[in-house]
Amino acid sequence: AQSVTQLGSHVSVSEGALVLLRCNYSSSVPPYLFWYVQYPNQGLQLLLKYTTGATLVKGINGFEAEFKKSETSFHLTKPSAHMSDAAEYFCAVSFLSGAGSYQLTFGKGTKLSVIP
Amino acid sequence: EAGVAQSPRYKIIEKRQSVAFWCNPISGHATLYWYQQILGQGPKLLIQFQNNGVVDDSQLPKDRFSAERLKGVDSTLKIQPAKLEDSAVYLCASSPGQGMNTEAFFGQGTRLTVV
Repeated sequence: AQSVTQLGSHVSVSEGALVLLRCNYSSSVPPYLFWYVQYPNQGLQLLLKYTTGATLVKGINGFEAEFKKSETSFHLTKPSAHMSDAAEYFCAVSFLSGAGSYQLTFGKGTKLSVIP
Repeated sequence: EAGVAQSPRYKIIEKRQSVAFWCNPISGHATLYWYQQILGQGPKLLIQFQNNGVVDDSQLPKDRFSAERLKGVDSTLKIQPAKLEDSAVYLCASSPGQGMNTEAFFGQGTRLTVV
């Protein structure tokens, strides 16, 4: 069964500091992995996704994530935090359901606070 | 390109009442999803449509929840009767296909409070 674990429900960083949000996955097949961001009272927006090929994936707003198969991880990073990065971030894995359709399983989310 | 539209944005009802949510997906997107997001948790899939047919409704509490997708476009999700534990944000999403790497595009959600 596929699952996603996000370490830390709440992360605080200072403006300009490194952002690191952790995600570990469990998948019986090569995974397709996603990071979504949710701003207050908004829907989810795709930040980036890993399918195949290069293990370092670049996304929008300066975020990137590295797929590490040996560690079953897909951590999200950004070199320098901005106030506008304050939001909730969700890691997700795509899997083939029993109904024969591809679906996303989401982690519980990490709320990022940026301190001025 | 217009995004996924949902209405209403907010709804407060008393337990045992009924409520309906509406979703208009991105034009041309064949796959439509309804998710439930309880506070402090990630979204959980309730039902998935491909065109106007149900692909997976295994996690839909069918004794009280129902959903339909008319003519393969708009969709409605209904709860009758509502329980306190149904308080959540209901997210609609759509995608152009249903492959493993297909991105889902989300609406802003409907925040339901059951009192």
